[in-house]
Amino acid sequence: AQSVTQLDSQVPVFEEAPVELRCNYSSSVSVYLFWYVQYPNQGLQLLLKYLSGSTLVKGINGFEAEFNKSQTSFHLRKPSVHISDTAEYFCAVSVINDYKLSFGAGTTVTVRA
Amino acid sequence: DAGITQSPRHKVTETGTPVTLRCHQTENHRYMYWYRQDPGHGLRLIHYSYGVKDTDKGEVSDGYSVSRSKTEDFLLTLESATSSQTSVYFCAISSGTGNYGYTFGSGTRLTVV
Repeated sequence: AQSVTQLDSQVPVFEEAPVELRCNYSSSVSVYLFWYVQYPNQGLQLLLKYLSGSTLVKGINGFEAEFNKSQTSFHLRKPSVHISDTAEYFCAVSVINDYKLSFGAGTTVTVRA
Repeated sequence: DAGITQSPRHKVTETGTPVTLRCHQTENHRYMYWYRQDPGHGLRLIHYSYGVKDTDKGEVSDGYSVSRSKTEDFLLTLESATSSQTSVYFCAISSGTGNYGYTFGSGTRLTVV
């Protein structure tokens, strides 16, 4: 079975500073990888996904993530954050040809002025 | 989210009572899921469905049952609610395997007292 570990539970960051959220996964077979964002009192929204091809994936709101197969990682980055990026971020994995999604525990990002 | 609605949005119930949460979709997607969200655990899969009357257990299925008699509706029942089932419940839909992505509902906040 696959699993996901998000290495930071909370990340405080100042506005306009860069941020990186770390995600490692474990799977014996090939996977698809996702990052979701959850704003307070809302559902989850897809930020970006890696299916195949280029290991650098660009998503919405200026986020990007890099898939590293040798390190089994899928870290999320944004070069300059805004107050509105304050949210909880979830890394998720799905085994190819499966239809279930497994989530990490989440990383809370708090952006301060 | 557009195309998927959960009801009720909030519910308080007493220990030992049965509770049913409803997920309704208008996208005609084949796959439907129920997750629960708890601090420090991310989202964990309770049950999922891969077609009408076709359901299976997820990783935290004890104490829960589901039914899907129509493509558009997926019901989650807590047979006898316990305080450990206090959580936020999310429904999700997908048209296929992981690469098609998942759309999440806005969630149901359930409190068992």
